[in-house]
Amino acid sequence: SQTIHQWPATLVQPVGSPLSLECTVEGTSNPNLYWYRQAAGRGLQLLFYSVGIGQISSEVPQNLSASRPQDRQFILSSKKLLLSDSGFYLCAWSVPRRSGNTIYFGEGSWLTVV
Amino acid sequence: GENVEQHPSTLSVQEGDSAVIKCTYSDSASNYFPWYKQELGKGPQLIIDIRSNVGEKKDQRIAVTLNKTAKHFSLHITETQPEDSAVYFCAASELTGGGNKLTFGTGTQLKVEL
Repeated sequence: SQTIHQWPATLVQPVGSPLSLECTVEGTSNPNLYWYRQAAGRGLQLLFYSVGIGQISSEVPQNLSASRPQDRQFILSSKKLLLSDSGFYLCAWSVPRRSGNTIYFGEGSWLTVV
Repeated sequence: GENVEQHPSTLSVQEGDSAVIKCTYSDSASNYFPWYKQELGKGPQLIIDIRSNVGEKKDQRIAVTLNKTAKHFSLHITETQPEDSAVYFCAASELTGGGNKLTFGTGTQLKVEL
């Protein structure tokens, strides 16, 4: 079965510091990968998605970037964090040909920028 | 782009009663409508989804209905239990061979009272 791992689970970072959140998927190949952000008490906003290694689509202009160095690895980064980057970040995956491109989420990473 | 509205934002029911959450969408090209349940501090979990070629789908106590003409879909939970208490999100997207770019509603906090 497929599993998704996301880390770290929580982190507190000062304004201006860098960020790296990592996500890996096991049990499948060639997945579509996604990063979502959820602000407190609000819905989920798609930040980036990737349909293959090195292929990144950005959905909203922001202080963040994403990379996919390997087939099942997706990284969310920032060079200098802003207070507004605080939130709950969720990695997700889907496989178009199997399971009808249904999206499955990881457990999330809580980021607090202070 | 797609816009999904979800109502109500909070819903309180007595154990054993039914709960209904409603969503509307704007993009007639959308053909995939999942529902997610999110417990506090965790990632959303898919509970049911429906595609535009069907009008209703059931899975035990959970059912989803879709009215493509009116562009709305609903989640029905019967015989509610305390463990159904969570935040529920609807979403919509147009499935293609690439990424599944879900647009989410703002969520419904469901509380099932004893």
